[in-house]
Amino acid sequence: DIQMTQSPSTLSASVGDRVTITCRASQSISSWLAWYQQKPGKAPKLLIYKASSLESGVPSRFSGSGSGTEFTLTISSLQPDDFATYYCQQYNSIGDTFGQGTKLEIK
Amino acid sequence: QITLKESGPTLVKPTQTLTLTCTFSGFSLSTSGVGVGWIRQPPGKALEWLALIYWDDDKRYSPSLKSRLTITKDTSKNQVVLTMTNMDPVDTATYYCAHRTYGSGSYYTDYWGQGTLVTVSS
Repeated sequence: DIQMTQSPSTLSASVGDRVTITCRASQSISSWLAWYQQKPGKAPKLLIYKASSLESGVPSRFSGSGSGTEFTLTISSLQPDDFATYYCQQYNSIGDTFGQGTKLEIK
Repeated sequence: QITLKESGPTLVKPTQTLTLTCTFSGFSLSTSGVGVGWIRQPPGKALEWLALIYWDDDKRYSPSLKSRLTITKDTSKNQVVLTMTNMDPVDTATYYCAHRTYGSGSYYTDYWGQGTLVTVSS
């Protein structure tokens, strides 16, 4: 299995801050990585796919980068609506794996 | 537009088999590049990927749950069915189905159902 490790598990930040979440894969996954945002009681929402491609309709303050085993999700200027839990997901030819999540809290 | 909805029992007993149905609209599972997957989330915990079926009947399973899972599709009914055998209280979770497609040089999972909470208890 490919394991995905996200850090940090919890992140406290303020509106307007620039924040970065990291996801590491236990082996190379090329660029087969997606990022999701999830709010309580709701299904996850796709933000980024193929490591850096922004899903249609997602604000440009969200960006993704990385390849191989290390990836990052960056929010350039936090907005009140961004406080949520974020998950990375690898998808390769065998199957998918999610990271354990990063909860983004208001400082 | 694409929609998916999960249905099935809300309560199952330990050792029973769970059968969940994902009914979708707005796409066809006979279209090249399209798939439907299942993901679950125990209360307060992380997402866990379970299984995926593609338009060509190619199937993928979580290695840790593979012996307990079966995924099938009925293209004519626009449905995907997931069965999980030998249910245990640790399988209590919200179960989601989701649409996978291919575009811009990549597969990605874009649309999700609302999820259905399944509780395992005697």
